[in-house]
Amino acid sequence: NAGVMQNPRHLVRRRGQEARLRCSPMKGHSHVYWYRQLPEEGLKFMVYLQKENIIDESGMPKERFSAEFPKEGPSILRIQQVVRGDSAAYFCASSPLPTSNTPEQFFGPGTRLTVL
Amino acid sequence: RKEVEQDPGPFNVPEGATVAFNCTYSNSASQSFFWYRQDCRKEPKLLMSVYSSGNEDGRFTAQLNRASQYISLLIRDSKLSDSATYLCVVTSSPLDSNYQLIWGAGTKLIIKP
Repeated sequence: NAGVMQNPRHLVRRRGQEARLRCSPMKGHSHVYWYRQLPEEGLKFMVYLQKENIIDESGMPKERFSAEFPKEGPSILRIQQVVRGDSAAYFCASSPLPTSNTPEQFFGPGTRLTVL
Repeated sequence: RKEVEQDPGPFNVPEGATVAFNCTYSNSASQSFFWYRQDCRKEPKLLMSVYSSGNEDGRFTAQLNRASQYISLLIRDSKLSDSATYLCVVTSSPLDSNYQLIWGAGTKLIIKP
């Protein structure tokens, strides 16, 4: 059973470009979470999605960031017009049930975004 | 006050020693608690859940103190491979509309030979 997959593992963008990060949850998991981790800091929750639904986006910046989890295919975190402050590790996690039923989450290897 | 606070360390500990660190949380309604381990530039991995009665897994012991609102992690007979950052995770109140995990910034542990 493959774990959570994220790609690309490393992404370099120039200021103003778009970044697209992809996450395929573990088989059988329909709950996906995105986190951002700045250097020397803890994980910051960004968004929680189920198939075709955004359940909680309270951690998402109001502008330039969006996320989706379509019926088919991976979850996508999209950052438009990237700025240097967006440089971070972006982790995706999945779970088979909602957080309220099983808080354990399984993490992908992360995408390290560098904005030049 | 941060919702979940940890001493960032680093804790420099000789191999074979016992080390312990705590994590405090601010929301008394939190119900679930975890320790995750994160190796440098890798993803977090669940180390152990923390139960009200305390729990032990080999060299690792986790305890919860609800009255003082902290959880602890004790590592006995530390190994070089224990070097990592240990992340404390607490669930928000189940009454919150946005029930989620709240992550501490982590405690860095370095085991020296």
